[in-house]
Amino acid sequence: GENVEQHPSTLSVQEGDSAVIKCTYSDSASNYFPWYKQELGKRPQLIIDIRSNVGEKKDQRIAVTLNKTAKHFSLHITETQPEDSAVYFCAASIAGSARQLTFGSGTQLTVLP
Amino acid sequence: EAQVTQNPRYLITVTGKKLTVTCSQNMNHEYMSWYRQDPGLGLRQIYYSMNVEVTDKGDVPEGYKVSRKEKRNFPLILESPSPNQTSLYFCASSLGPRNSGNTIYFGEGSWLTVV
Repeated sequence: GENVEQHPSTLSVQEGDSAVIKCTYSDSASNYFPWYKQELGKRPQLIIDIRSNVGEKKDQRIAVTLNKTAKHFSLHITETQPEDSAVYFCAASIAGSARQLTFGSGTQLTVLP
Repeated sequence: EAQVTQNPRYLITVTGKKLTVTCSQNMNHEYMSWYRQDPGLGLRQIYYSMNVEVTDKGDVPEGYKVSRKEKRNFPLILESPSPNQTSLYFCASSLGPRNSGNTIYFGEGSWLTVV
């Protein structure tokens, strides 16, 4: 089955700096890669996703890049703000699969004011 | 409002006492699943269901049962809970094979403690 590894497990940045979180996946059939943000005590919320026919996708301050050959994808957050502090999860799946998602282990991002 | 509803949200129970966590979605989704979340391990899938009466094991199914008698409901059953099942549980649903993006909708989570 799919295995997703995520690094780093914790990340602290100064407000205004950029943050990068990286994930690798094992199943070459995976073609859908979402990122979720989870605030303390709340459910994961989808923040951005990318499909394997695209190399990069951007939405305001967040962007995701995908390297299919190397089987890794990354989340980039620019101009970080204190409200970006949360746990971020990457995930991988085959689009339309009932198996849904295989998640990485999460990254605790702390943005220091 | 589109939503996935789980109950109970918080539960403390004793070892061996059967319990059920209910999950209901109002979006006519075909796919539903259960995840558990533990520190440092992310979210791991317990069971999933492709449609009514169709269920399959995820990554960590031991100690759990599910049923899908109706499209909207997907209860998680712990026949004999043990302390290692203390966790945060999320129910999730998605549209199905026609949704190539596979957007997942999560419930609010159920905190379960087994003593």
